[in-house]
Amino acid sequence: GENVEQHPSTLSVQEGDSAVIKCTYSDSASNYFPWYKQELGKRPQLIIDIRSNVGEKKDQRIAVTLNKTAKHFSLHITETQPEDSAVYFCAGIINNDMRFGAGTRLTVKP
Amino acid sequence: EPEVTQTPSHQVTQMGQEVILRCVPISNHLYFYWYRQILGQKVEFLVSFYNNEISEKSEIFDDQFSVERPDGSNFTLKIRSTKLEDSAMYFCASSLLTGNTGELFFGEGSRLTVL
Repeated sequence: GENVEQHPSTLSVQEGDSAVIKCTYSDSASNYFPWYKQELGKRPQLIIDIRSNVGEKKDQRIAVTLNKTAKHFSLHITETQPEDSAVYFCAGIINNDMRFGAGTRLTVKP
Repeated sequence: EPEVTQTPSHQVTQMGQEVILRCVPISNHLYFYWYRQILGQKVEFLVSFYNNEISEKSEIFDDQFSVERPDGSNFTLKIRSTKLEDSAMYFCASSLLTGNTGELFFGEGSRLTVL
């Protein structure tokens, strides 16, 4: 069936390094690709999104790239800081509703 | 900035009891959702609601669950007879556009503990 898969499940980096999280989706009709950040005990919050008419979008230290042919999109965080430590979820659209990947726990070590 | 609000923030209940979780979506939003997150796990879709009816529901949303928009502002999730495995954080969300095109705004969540 339709699904959203996210890798890796955990990621540990040194402060200042880059982090990349990848998400694959199955519904070729999808045209909206968001990334959410969830800090411990808090709600998910949108950090960046991309629509299918562009291949990359950047907002300061975070960027999202989209490859529609391969059906995957990635979150890139550069110059990571301890406050980037959180769980990151990608989301895909299944039956017109947003379904989330399993999440990636990012730890940035000072 | 407008926010989705949820009550209660935490509810403890005995197995078999009915629970109602309440949400006030952002006022001009048209699409409403409930998601569930068991501790340490992913955010799972339960149900979407548009134009006063359910649009989609997941396999989790069985006959024990129901949603209602009793007035112009509230959106409720009822669990008829709670089970231990219903213990989770329940997030309400709303969006101006359908999920295929727009951002979801989440409430802070209602933590349900079933004993």
